[in-house]
Amino acid sequence: EAQVTQNPRYLITVTGKKLTVTCSQNMNHEYMSWYRQDPGLGLRQIYYSMNVEVTDKGDVPEGYKVSRKEKRNFPLILESPSPNQTSLYFCASSRGLTWGYTFGSGTRLTVV
Amino acid sequence: GQQVMQIPQYQHVQEGEDFTTYCNSSTTLSNIQWYKQRPGGHPVFLIQLVKSGEVKKQKRLTFQFGEAKKNSSLHITATQTTDVGTYFCAGPPGGGNKLTFGTGTQLKVEL
Repeated sequence: EAQVTQNPRYLITVTGKKLTVTCSQNMNHEYMSWYRQDPGLGLRQIYYSMNVEVTDKGDVPEGYKVSRKEKRNFPLILESPSPNQTSLYFCASSRGLTWGYTFGSGTRLTVV
Repeated sequence: GQQVMQIPQYQHVQEGEDFTTYCNSSTTLSNIQWYKQRPGGHPVFLIQLVKSGEVKKQKRLTFQFGEAKKNSSLHITATQTTDVGTYFCAGPPGGGNKLTFGTGTQLKVEL
């Protein structure tokens, strides 16, 4: 089944403790992206990648890092999480910018 | 700031009524995509429009791309409870490589 898999689905962590949210797709998509969703603000793009070793900032990249060492994986790294990063995070992939995204099921992160 | 805006933010309708959400961009969009997110779920791709003035239909859903390629609309005829969710438009403002989502319109359908 074609899918985007994110882990974990839920995570509660403390301020400053580094964490990684994994994202993997099995569709051989070149384009991958991370979004955060907050009430009233919709989906805001954090980082995106157009291919292996090619990443670029979205609209809200501060406090996040990403890497694209393999085509299928696009992990999101929070080096020092803060409470304002409490949010619902989605990873998504597509064949390219002019193709629709397939989204993962989301990761609900709480930073206390 | 937000470059892709949607109105209204919320809409409550009675089942059988029509519903429309509007998407407006401050810059020309090379294409516009629409997504639906059910409560507790993830966004699901519905359709993409590319041409100026393009109109596409999916059963009771009608999607339109404005002539100037700066606005779009989604119209649902005779809503059903299965239409409940938040509808997002998305596009690459300014022809860049980012896909920017609108703020979304949350639709509630009452029996």
